[in-house]
Amino acid sequence: EAQLVESGGGLVNPGESLRLSCAASGFTFTTYMLNWVRQAPGKGLEWVSSISSGNTNIYHADSLKGRFTISRDNAKNSLFLEMNSLKAEDTAVYYCARGNLAMDVWGHGTTVIVSS
Amino acid sequence: QLVLTQSPSASASLGASVKLTCTLSSGHSNYAIAWHQQQPEKGPRFLMSLNSDGSHTKGDGIPDRFSGSSSGAERYLSISSLQSEDEADYYCQTWDTGIHVFGGGTKLTVL
Repeated sequence: EAQLVESGGGLVNPGESLRLSCAASGFTFTTYMLNWVRQAPGKGLEWVSSISSGNTNIYHADSLKGRFTISRDNAKNSLFLEMNSLKAEDTAVYYCARGNLAMDVWGHGTTVIVSS
Repeated sequence: QLVLTQSPSASASLGASVKLTCTLSSGHSNYAIAWHQQQPEKGPRFLMSLNSDGSHTKGDGIPDRFSGSSSGAERYLSISSLQSEDEADYYCQTWDTGIHVFGGGTKLTVL
């Protein structure tokens, strides 16, 4: 069974950095694009970033460019999201999701709270 | 600009049927979408991908009660024989080169 497990969330001060991880299992990691999606408290889903199977294509939501960086380690079946200069509005549950087009496997999410 | 529009809320009685709508923005009526379900306090769950011709591919374990259809720029999710566990938020999702877009979600209440 395909599975994604996020980790790395926590409470950070505004301006600080955080690195999220997503461990994949149960499928051939190298054949899929992977994505980060977030959900602020009480709000809907918001696409954050995507990375192609071979690391050749990387996309970020325009509103986040320059602060967030997506990466993956195909040898370790892992996806990452480096978040810098965090703001209060980055407070959300962050999900990793598999999918070249439709996102067909989701993790349970990791919570990031940005507050002083 | 690629945008998906959903009604904020819907309701139907236990055992009844409901049809949720996701509308693609002008110029994008031929785009495929995906439907996702998010039960309270849980992560999203992929329900199906849905093409402009109404053909759809459901995720693993998704009951036959869930089906999809299309008409022009509208994409529909139909749920029959509503059960209490169907009470959830439903999101549509689409994509283009370099971007993914989600609709605002529809909160379904089962009465």
